[in-house]
Amino acid sequence: GAVVSQHPSWVICKSGTSVKIECRSLDFQATTMFWYRQFPKQSLMLMATSNEGSKATYEQGVEKDKFLINHASLTLSTLTVTSAHPEDSSFYICSAKQGNEQFFGPGTRLTVL
Amino acid sequence: SQKIEQNSEALNIQEGKTATLTCNYTNYSPAYLQWYRQDPGRGPVFLLLIRENEKEKRKERLKVTFDTTLKQSLFHITASQPADSATYLCALSFSGGYNKLIFGAGTRLAVHP
Repeated sequence: GAVVSQHPSWVICKSGTSVKIECRSLDFQATTMFWYRQFPKQSLMLMATSNEGSKATYEQGVEKDKFLINHASLTLSTLTVTSAHPEDSSFYICSAKQGNEQFFGPGTRLTVL
Repeated sequence: SQKIEQNSEALNIQEGKTATLTCNYTNYSPAYLQWYRQDPGRGPVFLLLIRENEKEKRKERLKVTFDTTLKQSLFHITASQPADSATYLCALSFSGGYNKLIFGAGTRLAVHP
C-alpha cells in the first residue's frame, strides 16, 4: 500500500513554455501533499505544501506565481512550472502524507533547453 | 543558523560489515527524525522513524539511535549487502502543522562484494 505516482517521469521543454507535473496517491487519500525540488548531489528542498481544497503554502523564496499548485481532489496534486527557464531544470518530487509518514513519488526530471 | 549535516563523502565498506551513518543537526528541536533511502533518479523510500522520546529503534538489519542532547542520530545497517548501496537521507519533522520534512543532503553508501 501507500503508493504515489508521478507523471511524466521526465520532460524536456523549450525555454518560456509551461510544464505540468501530476502527483497521485494510488491507494489512499491524501489531504496534504508536498512538492520538493532536488538539484544534483543536494538535498530535497521543500517548495510548497499542497492542501486539498485550499491554497498551497509556499516556502520562503519560492515564487507562487511561477510554480502553480492545484490540489483539486484527495488523490491528485499538480505542479505547473510556468515560463520555464534553464535554471528551473531539476528533479521534482512529490509526497503524500498519511498519518505522520510521507510517501514519495518516483520524481520527474525536468530539463529546460 | 539551522543546519542538518550528513557526511558528504561516500562511505565504502565491505560486504558483511556494519555501515554507520551520521546525522547531526543544529538549532532545531524535532519531534521526529526519519531515515530514507534514495536510489539514483528515484524518489526517497521511507525506512525508519524515531521519536524524540525514543533512544533506539530497530527494523530487521537496520538500527537508528537518536540523542537529542547531542542533536545526533546514527543509522546502522548490519550484515551489509551490495544491494544496500544507495544514498541515505535523514530528515527532521516537527509536531503540529503539516509535519513537513527538512532533509539533509544524504550520504552515499557503497557496499563492495
